[in-house]
Amino acid sequence: DIQMTQSPSTLSASVGDRVTISCRASQSISSWLAWFQQKPGKAPKLLIYKASSLESGVPSRFSGSGSGTEFTLTISSLQPDDFATYYCQDYSSYSRTFGQGTKVEIK
Amino acid sequence: EVQLVESGGTLVQPGGSLRLSCAASGFTFTTYSMSWVRQAPGRGLEWVAGINADGSKKSYVDSVRGRFTISRDNAKNSLDLHMNSLRAEDTAVYYCARDWGGYERNFDYWGQGTLVTVSS
Repeated sequence: DIQMTQSPSTLSASVGDRVTISCRASQSISSWLAWFQQKPGKAPKLLIYKASSLESGVPSRFSGSGSGTEFTLTISSLQPDDFATYYCQDYSSYSRTFGQGTKVEIK
Repeated sequence: EVQLVESGGTLVQPGGSLRLSCAASGFTFTTYSMSWVRQAPGRGLEWVAGINADGSKKSYVDSVRGRFTISRDNAKNSLDLHMNSLRAEDTAVYYCARDWGGYERNFDYWGQGTLVTVSS
């Protein structure tokens, strides 16, 4: 089974900061990677699909990059609404695997 | 408007059974795979089970294989999760999510979640 490892687990940042979250797959998943944002008590929201494609309606300050086993989610200028937990997810096979999550906190 | 509405979550004793349902609307249900994803209190997201568009292929996470069964009724636009031999570690909010539909994305729509509590 493919394992997804995110880093860091927690990130403290200020409004306006550039934020980068990493995700590593235990084997190559090509570009079949998605990023989700989740706020407390809410369902996750799709931000990025196929590693770098921005979901409709998602602000352009979010971007994704990478392929194979190494992936990155970048928030170019952190906004108050962006404080949340972020998950990467592999969908290269019939099984789906999420990373353990990265919580973005206010510094 | 795409809508996914889960139901069936409740308090159940260890070893018990439960059926969760998800009513789908606003899209062509028969062209999408569907999945159940759960989140234990204070924990991360865990994919539980998935089913392809015509129901011929089902996949499960190892921890539920043999205890849970995913199914769908394409005539009723509904998705079910039959849960047997429930354990305390199955306590979670269970989400229904729209999976692969051939547009390079998955999990683009989610339900609001239904809480399953396994406790005596």
